[in-house]
Amino acid sequence: EVQLVESGGGLVQPGRPLRLSCAASGFTFDDYAMHWVRQVPGKGLEWVSGISWDSGAIGYADSVKGRFTISRDNAKNSLYLQMSSLRAEDTALYYCAKDIKTGLYGDFDYWGQGTLVTVSS
Amino acid sequence: QSVLTQPPSASGTPGQRVTISCSGSSSNIGSNTVTWYQQFPGTAPKLVIYSTDQRPSGVPDRFSGSKSGTSASLAISGLQSEDEADYFCAAWDDTLNGPLFGGGTKLTVL
Repeated sequence: EVQLVESGGGLVQPGRPLRLSCAASGFTFDDYAMHWVRQVPGKGLEWVSGISWDSGAIGYADSVKGRFTISRDNAKNSLYLQMSSLRAEDTALYYCAKDIKTGLYGDFDYWGQGTLVTVSS
Repeated sequence: QSVLTQPPSASGTPGQRVTISCSGSSSNIGSNTVTWYQQFPGTAPKLVIYSTDQRPSGVPDRFSGSKSGTSASLAISGLQSEDEADYFCAAWDDTLNGPLFGGGTKLTVL
């Protein structure tokens, strides 16, 4: 059974950093690209960042470019999102999502349950 | 364009066929495949259509997808009460260089 478990969310002050993690199991992690997608509760979905199976291709939404860094450790079956210079508008539920392909294709067949990030003073 | 355009709501009665539209542009729907996700309150989205018209295993064949030009549609036939959920379309955007989502459509089964 595929499982994606996010962690690392919480309340953080504006301008401070936060690191999210996603532990994957139930599939061959290094066969697939992985992504972070966020959602303000009750609102729509926004793609944040994606990374190919070998970290050779990485993409970011304009809203986070230069502030967020995605990475993965295939030996640990883990995906990460290092967030810096956080803003109030980054407040959202952050989902880890598995791509259906090795490269950045953008179809997500499995999602975690999300970790809530709240940016507030 | 920051999001793909979907109607905020749609409704139908049990057994009816409903369609949800998704409008984009040449940089997303016009040149790439379309994906549809179903989301129930308090849960993560679930993939119901990928590559415009493909159903993942386990998704009933009542769900179908199509595309024409820069618009796409999700059709649900034989509507059931358990289909009541939010539905989001998505497509890779060549300008964003990432997937772009629609604003979501809340489907109500009357």
